[in-house]
Amino acid sequence: QKEVEQNSGPLSVPEGAIASLNCTYSDRGSQSFFWYRQYSGKSPELIMSIYSNGDKEDGRFTAQLNKASQYVSLLIRDSQPSDSATYLCAVIVTARQLTFGSGTQLTVLP
Amino acid sequence: DADVTQTPRNRITKTGKRIMLECSQTKGHDRMYWYRQDPGLGLRLIYYSFDVKDINKGEISDGYSVSRQAQAKFSLSLESAIPNQTALYFCATSDTTEATGELFFGEGSRLTVL
Repeated sequence: QKEVEQNSGPLSVPEGAIASLNCTYSDRGSQSFFWYRQYSGKSPELIMSIYSNGDKEDGRFTAQLNKASQYVSLLIRDSQPSDSATYLCAVIVTARQLTFGSGTQLTVLP
Repeated sequence: DADVTQTPRNRITKTGKRIMLECSQTKGHDRMYWYRQDPGLGLRLIYYSFDVKDINKGEISDGYSVSRQAQAKFSLSLESAIPNQTALYFCATSDTTEATGELFFGEGSRLTVL
């Protein structure tokens, strides 16, 4: 089992819809969770971090964490074509190092 | 100028050649990392360094070596390149805050081994 798993997609949503990106992790002791966005041909950039169970909102983005289910998600409300990118889930697993999922490619259709 | 600079940005080489990818940063961070990105596999950690005297292997260190020449410089070497090392390589930095997950990435170095 991979330490961090994401649906590889691709995921397509119409403009204005809610995009839902999901991630599961295997280490029950993980405490820190992150979402990175990577535009095609560019480097990843951090967009959200979450440490406690529940929801964390930042503008159109909401990160959700459920430690009991070992599940973290990212919701993008009012999706825009500029949100089209690959979204990488990352978890601090062992030895305090960041482990990335394989990413979910999101396309927002105008 | 970019805070994290990688050179070269693109390199094509042949099997068996020695290759060095260089990374320099102006962010003043102590921690530096080398990741490899392959389609469908995400980012995988090759080596990381918490300071000049501290070098650690990551998930996929076989076939690679690193050198931390200074706080701002961290180089990745492929002693004898092979085709399955064809990938996009990223250098990244982070500050020393415990358990931080915020990495700052360079623009990437695309390596092709023929």
